[in-house]
Amino acid sequence: EVQLVQSGAEVKKPGESLRISCKASGYTFISYWIGWVRQMPGKGLEWMGVIYPGDSDTRYSPSFQGQVTISADRSINTTYLQWSSLKASDTAMYYCARSLVRGVVITRWFDPWGQGTLVTVSS
Amino acid sequence: SYVLTQPPSVSVAPGQTAKITCGGNNIGRKSVHWYQQRPGQAPVVVIYYDSDRPSGIPERFSGSNSGNTATLTISRVEDGDEADYYCQVWDSTSDHFSWVFGGGTKLTVL
Repeated sequence: EVQLVQSGAEVKKPGESLRISCKASGYTFISYWIGWVRQMPGKGLEWMGVIYPGDSDTRYSPSFQGQVTISADRSINTTYLQWSSLKASDTAMYYCARSLVRGVVITRWFDPWGQGTLVTVSS
Repeated sequence: SYVLTQPPSVSVAPGQTAKITCGGNNIGRKSVHWYQQRPGQAPVVVIYYDSDRPSGIPERFSGSNSGNTATLTISRVEDGDEADYYCQVWDSTSDHFSWVFGGGTKLTVL
């Protein structure tokens, strides 16, 4: 069974750093892009970025470029999302998800998703 | 960047058919994927590649895509279908690609 298991909820203060994780199992980790998606309280889904663990190729949404860093550790099938200096506006649920691909004209979607990591930033 | 537009809410009585739309410029030329997010849960894909259903998703869920509108249709709606639904496309250019989500539609079962 393909599974993505994320690290637990975090409560941080503004200005602190944070790294959350997403551990994959049940498939060949290095062969699929893994993405991160933000969901602010009561709001919709926002794609943040993706990483291809096979070669660590990383792409970011322009909205999140420079705000977060995505990385992966192939030795433990784990992807990370990190902040160097959190803001209150980073308070949100964060999901990781594996990207699947299909088609001569390529399309990609996310399946499955992790259970989510709630990050709360408050002074 | 590519924009997807969904109605904020759709209401339907149990047993009826719900249609949730997703608008985008020439969206019919792209493949559209749909996610269901029940309250307090992670999203789950219910339709991918316009009209394919993952295993475990009831046949009541179907999708279509043409012109400037993609549609998720839920037949014989049940109480358990009450959730937020998001459409998504993959948008690529020569040097950049992105996963684009619609704003989401809250399906209320009356």
